[in-house]
Amino acid sequence: KQEVTQIPAALSVPEGENLVLNCSFTDSAIYNLQWFRQDPGKGLTSLLLIQSSQREQTSGRLNASLDKSSGRSTLYIAASQPGDSATYLCAVRLNFGNEKLTFGTGTRLTIIP
Amino acid sequence: DAGVTQSPTHLIKTRGQQVTLRCSPKSGHDTVSWYQQALGQGPQFIFQYYEEEERQRGNFPDRFSGHQFPNYSSELNVNALLLGDSALYLCASSDRHTGYSGNTIYFGEGSWLTVV
Repeated sequence: KQEVTQIPAALSVPEGENLVLNCSFTDSAIYNLQWFRQDPGKGLTSLLLIQSSQREQTSGRLNASLDKSSGRSTLYIAASQPGDSATYLCAVRLNFGNEKLTFGTGTRLTIIP
Repeated sequence: DAGVTQSPTHLIKTRGQQVTLRCSPKSGHDTVSWYQQALGQGPQFIFQYYEEEERQRGNFPDRFSGHQFPNYSSELNVNALLLGDSALYLCASSDRHTGYSGNTIYFGEGSWLTVV
């Protein structure tokens, strides 16, 4: 059974700092991994999708890496801003045609102005 | 292009009642999945529909049922509501036939259900 863990559960950093969020999964046979952002009381916004054959994906100040063999992914946020404050969730998908996502419990990020 | 839309956004029900939540997938998407997210937890997969049939199910009791219509929209029904069913219910849509590079799953804003 696939299990996804995100550590730490909460993180506070001063504005302008670079930071890394971690995600680990127990079964390395994944199809892809997706990072989401969730604002309080809201739905999920997709940030980055990394296919199993890829090592990283970048979008603006965000960079996500994937090491499938070790069951790990990181989300790097450069030059953090107060607007980055949210909960960040990672989710893995097992195979093409299987739309089920298995989520971690998320990291609640607070950027201090 | 409208994304995934869900209704209602908030509702309050009494224990033992039944509730129906609705979802319209993103344009061009044919697959709908439902997730339950309790406070402080990650979303948990309930089930998935495509071609108007339930294709995959998570670890949820039969009180949770669903339906998909020919226009790909979907409903989630929960019978005999329990206090523990209070959660954010998220709908996700995707296109099963999209190629390797484009197969992102999109979520709606969710429906907040409170059972009292």
